[in-house]
Amino acid sequence: EIVLTQSPATLSLSPGEGATLSCRASQSVHSYLAWYQQKPGQAPRLLIYDASHRATGIPARFSGSGSGTDFTLTISSLEPEDFAVYYCQQRSNWPPFTFGPGTKVDIK
Amino acid sequence: EVQLVESGGGLVQPGGSLRLSCAVSGFTFSSYAMSWVRQAPGKGLEWVSTISGSGSSTYYADSVKGRFTISRENSKNTLYLQMNSLRAEDTAVYHCAKETPPDYGRYEYWGQGTLVTVSS
Repeated sequence: EIVLTQSPATLSLSPGEGATLSCRASQSVHSYLAWYQQKPGQAPRLLIYDASHRATGIPARFSGSGSGTDFTLTISSLEPEDFAVYYCQQRSNWPPFTFGPGTKVDIK
Repeated sequence: EVQLVESGGGLVQPGGSLRLSCAVSGFTFSSYAMSWVRQAPGKGLEWVSTISGSGSSTYYADSVKGRFTISRENSKNTLYLQMNSLRAEDTAVYHCAKETPPDYGRYEYWGQGTLVTVSS
């Protein structure tokens, strides 16, 4: 089973600042990595798939990069609605599909 | 508009059973694989099970294998999760999710979830 590790666990930032979130896989997942955003009481929302492709309707301030075992989600300038928990997920070697433990982006 | 609506959650005693349903609309249900993903209270996301569009192929997390059964009724646009021998650690919000072809494991559409609580 591929284990995903996310860092930091919590990121405290102000609106307008940039955010860099990291996801590391225990073995190569090639480019088969996605990022999801989740707000309290809501379902996850797909942001990025296959490492760098924005999902439908996702603003350009969200970008993904990386391949192999190291991946990054970058939010160029935080909007108030971006404060949430972000999960990475791999679909390279399954079952199982696995998720990281999440990074919480909260308001400083 | 794609919609996924779960139902069937509730309080059940350890060892009991529950069947979850996911009613879908807005797309040709039989053409898409579907999955269940759960989230324990205050915890992260955990993939539970996936079923192919025809229903001929099913996949399970080790934590539920032998206890849960995923199925679908394409004529009714409905996905199911039969959960038997429930344990306290199965307590979670269960989301159904639509797979995005051509590969599995990409979830662009999710339901809001149904809460399953396993407790005596």
